[in-house]
Amino acid sequence: DAKTTQPNSMESNEEEPVHLPCNHSTISGTDYIHWYRQLPSQGPEYVIHGLTSNVNNRMASLAIAEDRKSSTLILHRATLRDAAVYYCILTGGGNKLTFGTGTQLKVEL
Amino acid sequence: DAGITQSPRHKVTETGTPVTLRCHQTENHRYMYWYRQDPGHGLRLIHYSYGVKDTDKGEVSDGYSVSRSKTEDFLLTLESATSSQTSVYFCAISYALAGAFYEQYFGPGTRLTVT
Repeated sequence: DAKTTQPNSMESNEEEPVHLPCNHSTISGTDYIHWYRQLPSQGPEYVIHGLTSNVNNRMASLAIAEDRKSSTLILHRATLRDAAVYYCILTGGGNKLTFGTGTQLKVEL
Repeated sequence: DAGITQSPRHKVTETGTPVTLRCHQTENHRYMYWYRQDPGHGLRLIHYSYGVKDTDKGEVSDGYSVSRSKTEDFLLTLESATSSQTSVYFCAISYALAGAFYEQYFGPGTRLTVT
């Protein structure tokens, strides 16, 4: 599976939007882009995934660049409960996930 | 929340002893996975199962074995625990159809300390 690059950490203020970037310059045409997050002392939880088009769900939005070499996870209004490690993962259609070290999001009042 | 439980949730054991961790699901999902997570690392896949008695190795399978005799249970065994296997272990499940992706749901984790 192709690799992803994410910043180690980001900070945000509560109630403001957060844009978490992910670079995946070696992505192949069949790779899906997945985002998971891991709250402190919990297992990861699925956030969103997409292939080519932007995606929205109740948790977040996923914006995918036209060339698919990067994507951005958008949390529209960060809350303290969104403080977590966010993982951007590519899969080639299989059911195995390869986690990197992710982005630690800190949310402040 | 997906019905996934892990037992035990915490365990301290001595080097050289066998250890078995259990993952139990009530969702009837086909795929089950075992990961470990160490400080400074993301989760790493140990073994996974794509059906009863069907298992395969992941990225860090050395020193671990698995068994799945029923859809709902996936066991991870450390035949002879070593200090390098001190970690937090997560189980995950996933529904699956050929060629399609379905999200993985994770259990609460088991913290294992090998002294």
